[in-house]
Amino acid sequence: GAVVSQHPSWVICKSGTSVKIECRSLDFQATTMFWYRQFPKQSLMLMATSNEGSKATYEQGVEKDKFLINHASLTLSTLTVTSAHPEDSSFYICSVAGGGDTEAFFGQGTRLTVV
Amino acid sequence: GQNIDQPTEMTATEGAIVQINCTYQTSGFNGLFWYQQHAGEAPTFLSYNVLDGLEEKGRFSSFLSRSKGYSYLLLKELQMKDSASYLCAVRDGNYQLIWGAGTKLIIKP
Repeated sequence: GAVVSQHPSWVICKSGTSVKIECRSLDFQATTMFWYRQFPKQSLMLMATSNEGSKATYEQGVEKDKFLINHASLTLSTLTVTSAHPEDSSFYICSVAGGGDTEAFFGQGTRLTVV
Repeated sequence: GQNIDQPTEMTATEGAIVQINCTYQTSGFNGLFWYQQHAGEAPTFLSYNVLDGLEEKGRFSSFLSRSKGYSYLLLKELQMKDSASYLCAVRDGNYQLIWGAGTKLIIKP
């Protein structure tokens, strides 16, 4: 299966600053990557679909100007949380999904805490 | 709308068997997945069903009935390390993964 590396695994930032999270597909060329957010005791919620070489597709209710996604190569997608606020504190996870019966492969996740 | 339902929490005893149910209503169906997630970690893949019936993989088995929109994950010979959340996810007609809220499984000695 695909190996997905996500960095950093945790970050603490001050309110109003921006944080960049990287997601790398180490052994698989991913034209599409997915970004999820998970609040405590809640389900994984898809935020956006990251498409290599084009604009990301955002889910309803997700602010595209706040959560900037760049997918400049087949192995790297980045999520930047701009002007972070405490309510943005969450667990952010990226994934690469194969087609057919292939499961989704996840990065390790990033625990973001905004103080 | 699309919806996946699982029990919020279950408790079982070490060495016993537990069945975690999942019902779904989605726009199209292209497979159902079960994942295990420990707190603060990414989900790890357990099983995949696309046809009706039972898939067995060691201590874990997963069952699917497409006509009933129903699946279950069966865990045998429970171990303390099985304490985790178990997520049911359905790949819909657009090949998007729709996630259940997860079932927190507590294993007691």
